[in-house]
Amino acid sequence: DARVTQTPRHKVTEMGQEVTMRCQPILGHNTVFWYRQTMMQGLELLAYFRNRAPLDDSGMPKDRFSAEMPDATLATLKIQPSEPRDSAVYFCATTRDTSYEQYFGPGTRLTVT
Amino acid sequence: SQQGEEDPQALSIQEGENATMNCSYKTSINNLQWYRQNSGRGLVHLILIRSNEREKHSGRLRVTLDTSKKSSSLLITASRAADTASYFCAPTYSGYSTLTFGKGTMLLVSP
Repeated sequence: DARVTQTPRHKVTEMGQEVTMRCQPILGHNTVFWYRQTMMQGLELLAYFRNRAPLDDSGMPKDRFSAEMPDATLATLKIQPSEPRDSAVYFCATTRDTSYEQYFGPGTRLTVT
Repeated sequence: SQQGEEDPQALSIQEGENATMNCSYKTSINNLQWYRQNSGRGLVHLILIRSNEREKHSGRLRVTLDTSKKSSSLLITASRAADTASYFCAPTYSGYSTLTFGKGTMLLVSP
């Protein structure tokens, strides 16, 4: 049963600290999306990669957020420094190049105090 | 805006009843997807309907698409408490690989 995995599942940190979230795509999926979900804003697309290359990160605050794919089995989303307004659930979703169906991970619930 | 707009925002029904939720969008689409999100979990893909299809079934789910009205509906028949979740539609457009999600319809099915 192929699944997208995300770690950590929960993260509580203090303002100013660095936060790194990780995503392991389903084997064979070459497109990775990062979303953020809050009650106020709903589900927002932050960035996405295809074949490890960033295609769009316009939804991401550039000054503190960065997204990378060091290899085909790992995508990372980093926040430095973190702020209370970054508190949200961060989802990774992956898909095959030719498929529109996205497979979501369980999310990382981030709380910044 | 590329997102679909779901309606109603919230729906409360009894087990065994049918639940219908609607989605409207702005411009011509390639296809439209429906996703479900249980509380605290990631979205799960339910069904995809292409722009040249009018109706599609999957188990207790029935999706219709009316491209002339730029709308879609999701019908869940004989609902169960386990169907309690938020439901999102996601239209996809030519040349775009990304999905834009609306606020969703929050469905509550009471035993």
